[in-house]
Amino acid sequence: DSGVTQTPKHLITATGQRVTLRCSPRSGDLSVYWYQQSLDQGLQFLIQYYNGEERAKGNILERFSAQQFPDLHSELNLSSLELGDSALYFCASSVGLAWTSYNEQFFGPGTRLTVL
Amino acid sequence: AQTVTQSQPEMSVQEAETVTLSCTYDTSESDYYLFWYKQPPSRQMILVIRQEAYKQQNATENRFSVNFQKAAKSFSLKISDSQLGDAAMYFCAYRSQPYTGANSKLTFGKGITLSVRP
Repeated sequence: DSGVTQTPKHLITATGQRVTLRCSPRSGDLSVYWYQQSLDQGLQFLIQYYNGEERAKGNILERFSAQQFPDLHSELNLSSLELGDSALYFCASSVGLAWTSYNEQFFGPGTRLTVL
Repeated sequence: AQTVTQSQPEMSVQEAETVTLSCTYDTSESDYYLFWYKQPPSRQMILVIRQEAYKQQNATENRFSVNFQKAAKSFSLKISDSQLGDAAMYFCAYRSQPYTGANSKLTFGKGITLSVRP
């Protein structure tokens, strides 16, 4: 158990819908990262938040958005869903921005999204 | 931008034998981290081993060791005395050194599926 929790574990929805994925980081971790794992694209970085602020963006679609709340949990919102959005979405957390020499990212169990 | 390449999609090893998983990467940075992650059927991402680029000594964690060739931009994982529980997908990953100002995202290879024969 990494200490990172994600809900729900599974989500089945229809095209055009909107869903919210939730992540709670490890206690004390300020950074949250979102990754998408799909058969086509592999594991891709989507976005990073640090202490409530967006720090870095990767290959995140405009239909997707995220935020980190004052209690440090994060939500990834996916809207106007398409079949190709079906994937495993991971959240990871780390202590900070890695000013120290090493700053491991701990992964949650993932949310499997199926768009029908 | 950095890229990570795992050219072997699948490998198989006999239980108790040794197997080496290959990874190459491309970067213009001189200082960075490299990782191997294991993803078993449960889909949980588990860190296996890490290597800091400025360290010449290859990292070792119990039965897992790496062969880090910085000039060749190669980072292979050796699993000794393979066990049935080692069967999983293995991902090679790159992370920039954050003090350079780069963000600390992980860039992953496509992964390799390792099967272990009893």
